[in-house]
Amino acid sequence: NAGVTQTPKFQVLKTGQSMTLQCAQDMNHNSMYWYRQDPGMGLRLIYYSASEGTTDKGEVPNGYNVSRLNKREFSLRLESAAPSQTSVYFCASIGWLAVRELFFGEGSRLTVL
Amino acid sequence: AQTVTQSQPEMSVQEAETVTLSCTYDTSESDYYLFWYKQPPSRQMILVIRQEAYKQQNATENRFSVNFQKAAKSFSLKISDSQLGDAAMYFCALWDYTSGTYKYIFGTGTRLKVLA
Repeated sequence: NAGVTQTPKFQVLKTGQSMTLQCAQDMNHNSMYWYRQDPGMGLRLIYYSASEGTTDKGEVPNGYNVSRLNKREFSLRLESAAPSQTSVYFCASIGWLAVRELFFGEGSRLTVL
Repeated sequence: AQTVTQSQPEMSVQEAETVTLSCTYDTSESDYYLFWYKQPPSRQMILVIRQEAYKQQNATENRFSVNFQKAAKSFSLKISDSQLGDAAMYFCALWDYTSGTYKYIFGTGTRLKVLA
């Protein structure tokens, strides 16, 4: 049972480069989330998707775009990476009828030089 | 807007002692859930305990319990008989249905050190 799978686990980018973080879940969950974790800042919500076909901005959406490709997949794109986007990124999902527990991926460490 | 505040960046506790981590939150919704998550050095996020806002009884899970004060919007986590394996970052989180959609918001975390 894979749960929530994120790729890549590590990535180094140069300023101005673009990249996409992929996330897939196999638990038939409706809602999916992207967070970034920075020291002293906790987990901050970037974007979320309450259900297939919908996406909404979270607390820190600037510089990011998302796509809910289907029920399983929710990708996060950095169009022009900046050093301020150096962080650990987590994808998570939650089911409608669950205890509302978030199921997290293992995280992706992104460094922008 | 929902907010979650953890005012203790770091806490320490002696092994076998009890420690309480604080959390305050704000939401305009009447139906919401509160959570404590643990993040050990492995970076994995682990659900510790959850509390439904409509339940008056405080949740407990083995050595972990909460003190849920709804009127004060306070949600603290008590860890009894602390163990070395409890050392981790602890995040308080709020889930509610706001403006037609669901949001899951976290606090900034408290790093717990357990001293042998």
